[in-house]
Amino acid sequence: DTGVSQDPRHKITKRGQNVTFRCDPISEHNRLYWYRQTLGQGPEFLTYFQNEAQLEKSRLLSDRFSAERPKGSFSTLEIQRTEQGDSAMYLCASSLVGSDGYEQYFGPGTRLTVT
Amino acid sequence: AQKVTQAQTEISVVEKEDVTLDCVYETRDTTYYLFWYKQPPSGELVFLIRRNSFDEQNEISGRYSWNFQKSTSSFNFTITASQVVDSAVYFCALSEVNYGGATNKLIFGTGTLLAVQP
Repeated sequence: DTGVSQDPRHKITKRGQNVTFRCDPISEHNRLYWYRQTLGQGPEFLTYFQNEAQLEKSRLLSDRFSAERPKGSFSTLEIQRTEQGDSAMYLCASSLVGSDGYEQYFGPGTRLTVT
Repeated sequence: AQKVTQAQTEISVVEKEDVTLDCVYETRDTTYYLFWYKQPPSGELVFLIRRNSFDEQNEISGRYSWNFQKSTSSFNFTITASQVVDSAVYFCALSEVNYGGATNKLIFGTGTLLAVQP
């Protein structure tokens, strides 16, 4: 059973550029979550999906951020017109709704550096 | 609003010492879950334990134990006979439970950096 995978692991971009991250959840997991973690802080919730439906978005998710999960499997998170304040670790997690669907399993994260 | 407080920013112990990591939470929900995650230097969050709001039994797993007290809104984590491999940042997290039983967003504390010296 493979875990949650994220690609790329590291991304360096210039301010103003667009970036896109991908997350592949654990197979059969129907819930997928995105979090952002800055240095010295705990992860902060951004958004989550159940299957292909986006059920909640944080106020942290400005109009420059968009997330999709078109077929209910992998998900993408796009940041348009990146700003230096977007530099952070972007974490993806997945879980399975059901009798034991409480744990969220996290991927290794994508570290974004905006110069 | 939901909130998790981990007042201990950093703790340093010598190997084989016992150490307790504190976690205090706030929520208006009557049904919720509490979690502990470990984040080693590699960066990947590792799930350790979950507790639901109706189960105040303490739990022990090897050298790890957890003490959940609703009366003080605390969910503390103790490592017995610490080892160098326990060095990591530990996060406490809280989540509401919605329809279907699966948690929604996790609300994390700011974490406690545990350094175990040999």
